[in-house]
Amino acid sequence: DVKVTQSSRYLVKRTGEKVFLECVQDMDHENMFWYRQDPGLGLRLIYFSYDVKMKEKGDIPEGYSVSREKKERFSLILESASTNQTSMYLCASGRPDFEQYFGPGTRLTVT
Amino acid sequence: RKEVEQDPGPFNVPEGATVAFNCTYSNSASQSFFWYRQDCRKEPKLLMSVYSSGNEDGRFTAQLNRASQYISLLIRDSKLSDSATYLCVVNRKDSSYKLIFGSGTRLLVRP
Repeated sequence: DVKVTQSSRYLVKRTGEKVFLECVQDMDHENMFWYRQDPGLGLRLIYFSYDVKMKEKGDIPEGYSVSREKKERFSLILESASTNQTSMYLCASGRPDFEQYFGPGTRLTVT
Repeated sequence: RKEVEQDPGPFNVPEGATVAFNCTYSNSASQSFFWYRQDCRKEPKLLMSVYSSGNEDGRFTAQLNRASQYISLLIRDSKLSDSATYLCVVNRKDSSYKLIFGSGTRLLVRP
């Protein structure tokens, strides 16, 4: 079974803090993704990576950056957290043109 | 117009009922299609891929109509455990790596 794990299930941070969300997959997938999910807006792609050290912006990259130093690990960074970044963050991995597998999600609250 | 459109529901049906969800997509060049299931406050999980010839997995049948750019999911003999949100997913025209998720259709199966 594919396993995608995320570093935290719940996180509470203060406005202005730097936040790191980490994701690890064990299926040697080339592609990894970060989404956020908000009520009424569905899943929105923040960034994705198709290889180590390679990344591309998704639909809503502003306020976020990513890092992929190893194939199995993809990190999402909020440089200076803001209240409008309160959301559910979902990491996924997959092969090109195939389905994606999701981690359990991190529910981030920024106060 | 959204790239993937679904009726948000909710569909409220009794146990044992047959229920059908529809989804339309705007990119005629899309090649990959999927249905995901998402339980409340959980991550999306792959339910089934959708093939051109249509495919069935137990009580679930998925169909694709490329000419009308339309995907359907039929659930027969609904169970209480089928209550969830069902997401229609297609790949994006500008990259083979990215999937577009519909906002989902909510299903409630009552005793």
